Amino acid sequence: LAKTTQPISMDSYEGQEVNITCSHNNIATNDYITWYQQFPSQGPRFIIQGYKTKVTNEVASLFIPADRKSSTLSLPRVSLSDTAVYYCLVEGYSTLTFGKGTMLLVSP
Amino acid sequence: ETGVTQSPTHLIKTRGQQVTLRCSSQSGHNTVSWYQQALGQGPQFIFQYYREEENGRGNFPPRFSGLQFPNYSSELNVNALELDDSALYLCASSLDGDTEAFFGQGTRLTVV
Repeated sequence: LAKTTQPISMDSYEGQEVNITCSHNNIATNDYITWYQQFPSQGPRFIIQGYKTKVTNEVASLFIPADRKSSTLSLPRVSLSDTAVYYCLVEGYSTLTFGKGTMLLVSP
Repeated sequence: ETGVTQSPTHLIKTRGQQVTLRCSSQSGHNTVSWYQQALGQGPQFIFQYYREEENGRGNFPPRFSGLQFPNYSSELNVNALELDDSALYLCASSLDGDTEAFFGQGTRLTVV
C-alpha cells in the first residue's frame, strides 16, 4: 500500500504559482511530511518539511490541514529551472520511501 | 552542493562481476543511506548505516552489502551483478537519522 499519492505530472508557465497536492491517509503520529526535488541524473534535494499547519522557507511553502491526511507544496512564481520531479514523503526516520513523484514541466 | 560526494560517477560492468561504490558523507553526519533508482522510478531504499552498524534494510538480496567507516564514509558492494542492477545509485547522509537527508550526485552503473 503506497504511503503517498500525488499527480504523475503537472504543467505550468513561468511566473505562475504551482500547487502540488499529496495524499497520505495513513500518516502516523510521529511522521513528518517532507518534499524533495530531483533534476535528471542528480540526487534528490530537500525542499521543505513540516508536521502541521504552514511552513515557509525561501523557496516554497507547505500547507498541512489539521487532519494531516494531505499536504500541498506551493512554489511561488516558478521559472524554467523549476522543471523537475517533486517527491512527497511521510517519514518518522531517515529511511525515506519515495514514490514516483510529480513531474513538473514549466514552459515559457 | 550538498557536501556528499560519490565515486565513480559512471561505471560499466559485466554480468556476474562485483562492484564497489563509494560515498563520502557531509561533515559531521553519522548516518548514511543507500538508494537504487531505476529509470523513471523513485529511489528505492537499500540499507542504512548509523555509526558503523547496519540500521535498517530494504527489500534487496544479500548480494547487496555495505560498510561504514569510522570517518563515516561508506561503501556499497554488489556481488554477482545482474542486468537489472543497472541503475543510478545514490547515497544520502544525515545527522542522527534526521529526515532531512543530503544526497550525492549518484553513480550510474550499467551492467552489460
